[in-house]
Amino acid sequence: DSGVTQTPKHLITATGQRVTLRCSPRSGDLSVYWYQQSLDQGLQFLIQYYNGEERAKGNILERFSAQQFPDLHSELNLSSLELGDSALYFCASSRAPMGETQYFGPGTRLLVL
Amino acid sequence: EDKVVQSPLSLVVHEGDTVTLNCSYEVTNFRSLLWYKQEKKAPTFLFMLTSSGIEKKSGRLSSILDKKELFSILNITATQTGDSAVYLCAVTGGGADGLTFGKGTHLIIQP
Repeated sequence: DSGVTQTPKHLITATGQRVTLRCSPRSGDLSVYWYQQSLDQGLQFLIQYYNGEERAKGNILERFSAQQFPDLHSELNLSSLELGDSALYFCASSRAPMGETQYFGPGTRLLVL
Repeated sequence: EDKVVQSPLSLVVHEGDTVTLNCSYEVTNFRSLLWYKQEKKAPTFLFMLTSSGIEKKSGRLSSILDKKELFSILNITATQTGDSAVYLCAVTGGGADGLTFGKGTHLIIQP
């Protein structure tokens, strides 16, 4: 158990809908990262927050957004969902914004029908 | 664009064998290389390497980085069925810490 928690574990929704995934980092970690894992693309970095501020963007679609709250938990919002958004979404956390090991949460499996 | 290539993509060996997994990378302003093990769900951290030529070891697993040749290897000795998993290599570089992952090596240990 890495200490990173994610909810929900599974999510089934329809195309065009909007969902919110939630992540709580390990105690003491200020940096949160979101990743998407699909069969064809592998694990891809989406976005990083550090202490409430956006720090870096990866391959995140415009339909997706994230935020980190004062209590350091983070939410990833996915809107206008498409079939291709079906994937495992992982959150990871680390103590510092750079140079630290990232510890992954158990993931949220999203299925868009 | 940062790139990580792992080989082989899959490997089947017998219990007790030794395996070597390979990871080569191209990244701007390299900072670190990480190895993760992924079984059912979340990747679990194995090693982080930042310095060339220094071996990191944990039990039967070890890893080393060659920053001149831009690659790393992960060795597993005396393999057990519990070592069956996908092993992921990732790198960080540039001004942020988002990991760039390879496709992974799917390792199967047969009894």
